[in-house]
Amino acid sequence: GENVEQHPSTLSVQEGDSAVIKCTYSDSASNYFPWYKQELGKRPQLIIDIRSNVGEKKDQRIAVTLNKTAKHFSLHITETQPEDSAVYFCAASEGKTSYDKVIFGPGTSLSVIP
Amino acid sequence: NAGVTQTPKFQVLKTGQSMTLQCAQDMNHEYMSWYRQDPGMGLRLIHYSVGAGITDQGEVPNGYNVSRSTTEDFPLRLLSAAPSQTSVYFCASSDTRDYQETQYFGPGTRLLVL
Repeated sequence: GENVEQHPSTLSVQEGDSAVIKCTYSDSASNYFPWYKQELGKRPQLIIDIRSNVGEKKDQRIAVTLNKTAKHFSLHITETQPEDSAVYFCAASEGKTSYDKVIFGPGTSLSVIP
Repeated sequence: NAGVTQTPKFQVLKTGQSMTLQCAQDMNHEYMSWYRQDPGMGLRLIHYSVGAGITDQGEVPNGYNVSRSTTEDFPLRLLSAAPSQTSVYFCASSDTRDYQETQYFGPGTRLLVL
């Protein structure tokens, strides 16, 4: 089955700097890659996603890139703000459709220092 | 719309007891999933469903049963609770509309097995 790895496990950045989180996946058949943000004590929230037929996607200060050949994808957050502090999870879906079977990475704890 | 609702919010069980965690969504989503999240860790997929009457196993299905008799409801049954099942359980509801994925998590159920 699918295995998703994520690095780094913790990340501290100064407010205004950029943050990059990288993930790799094992199943070349995976076709959908969502990213989630989870604040302390709260439920995960889908923040951005990318399909396997797209190389990059942006939404305001966040962007995701995908390299299918290398089987890795990354989350980029620019102009970080204290409210970006949270745990971020990448995931990969190995099912026939986006949500058939979504497997999560272990998470990255991001701290934005004011 | 209430979104995704889960009951109970918190439950204490004794080893060997059984119980059902309830999950309901009112968005007419096809896909529903159950995840468990252990302290400081990512989410692990227990079971998922791609539509009413269809369920499948995730990464950690042992000790849990599910059914999907309606689009709205996706209960998770613990057959004989064990301390290793102490965790926070999240239900998620997902779908693709107009080529845009949407996914929402419920607020979670905190389960303590003594």
